[in-house]
Amino acid sequence: DAGVIQSPRHEVTEMGQEVTLRCKPISGHDYLFWYRQTMMRGLELLIYFNNNVPIDDSGMPEDRFSAKMPNASFSTLKIQPSEPRDSAVYFCASSYKSNQETQYFGPGTRLLVL
Amino acid sequence: QKEVEQDPGPLSVPEGAIVSLNCTYSNSAFQYFMWYRQYSRKGPELLMYTYSSGNKEDGRFTAQVDKSSKYISLFIRDSQPSDSATYLCAMSAYSGANNLFFGTGTRLTVIP
Repeated sequence: DAGVIQSPRHEVTEMGQEVTLRCKPISGHDYLFWYRQTMMRGLELLIYFNNNVPIDDSGMPEDRFSAKMPNASFSTLKIQPSEPRDSAVYFCASSYKSNQETQYFGPGTRLLVL
Repeated sequence: QKEVEQDPGPLSVPEGAIVSLNCTYSNSAFQYFMWYRQYSRKGPELLMYTYSSGNKEDGRFTAQVDKSSKYISLFIRDSQPSDSATYLCAMSAYSGANNLFFGTGTRLTVIP
């Protein structure tokens, strides 16, 4: 199993540009999570999906952030327009329905907004 | 007050030392406790998972939960340079997906 796959691994963009982060969860996992990690705030849950349906997006910081999961093997997190304070590492994770506490994380996307 | 508090370190120890990593929490409803290890520029990976109070041992790693004090610990015996990483505690109250609370992580360096 290749694990959770994220792309791109690094993204540098200018303020105001649209950013799209991509994730492929582990095959067979029912849950998919998007996290943001910063030095100051640590790891924060942004949104999670169950069987492709968004369940809780209360962690999404503002309307500039949106996430979709069109099928069981793909999800996107979009930031439009991006701002310097969005600079962080964004992680995608997935888990089985029966063991939601044990989440498998991808390698992350390191985003820098100039 | 944050739900989970963790000393960010950094913590440097010589190879072979016993390492103690700790987290405190405020929500007495937490009953699922996890430790994740995160190598530099990698995603967190689950290291230990415990339910409720008590100890759990896995090789050189021991996870300890003291619910009365709202305090959890991870002990690493005979620490190795390969243990150098950031260690994050995480916990939840229910067996549910949306209430996993993470500490900010403690950065550990084991010096050969």
